[in-house]
Amino acid sequence: DGGITQSPKYLFRKEGQNVTLSCEQNLNHDAMYWYRQDPGQGLRLIYYSQIVNDFQKGDIAEGYSVSREKKESFPLTVTSAQKNPTAFYLCAIQDNLIAFFGQGTRLTVV
Amino acid sequence: QKEVEQNSGPLSVPEGAIASLNCTYSDRGSQSFFWYRQYSGKSPELIMFIYSNGDKEDGRFTAQLNKASQYVSLLIRDSQPSDSATYLCAVGYSSASKIIFGSGTRLSIRP
Repeated sequence: DGGITQSPKYLFRKEGQNVTLSCEQNLNHDAMYWYRQDPGQGLRLIYYSQIVNDFQKGDIAEGYSVSREKKESFPLTVTSAQKNPTAFYLCAIQDNLIAFFGQGTRLTVV
Repeated sequence: QKEVEQNSGPLSVPEGAIASLNCTYSDRGSQSFFWYRQYSGKSPELIMFIYSNGDKEDGRFTAQLNKASQYVSLLIRDSQPSDSATYLCAVGYSSASKIIFGSGTRLSIRP
């Protein structure tokens, strides 16, 4: 089954805890992206990677980290330095500037 | 700072009528324009894209682009309750491989 798979669908984080969101794709795309969506706001770019072992900060990278050890995988870690992490997180690939998204992970701080 | 502006709504339209959604953008270097539909709790899905001035039609959807006015719109004809969703306007910049998203317009189709 082809596509972009994000897990988990829902995630709860305690104060001061690091959590990692998974994103896997079997579409053989080089470029992968992480966006954050808050209620009533557009998608904001956190990090992106255009090739294995390379990634760049987006507009709101503070408090987040990523890795790109394999073409298929682009995990996002929300660190304790991110003071307001409750949001909907979307992983995407882009093809000619058209973004295709995974199902999203809703992260809540408890 | 590149910006994409949309009216947040909600926009309420009777079933069967035409829904008109509007978007303005700030950067004249913008090259690609997209409309995404997002149901509550779900991820956005692409419904239309347009690159050139004028109209582009796909079924009940028409995208309109006016680069001189920096304006892009989406028309939905014969609106159905299933069209009730948030519609995100997005603008692409190939030089930066970057997409800027608007905050979305919430559309409600009333029976």
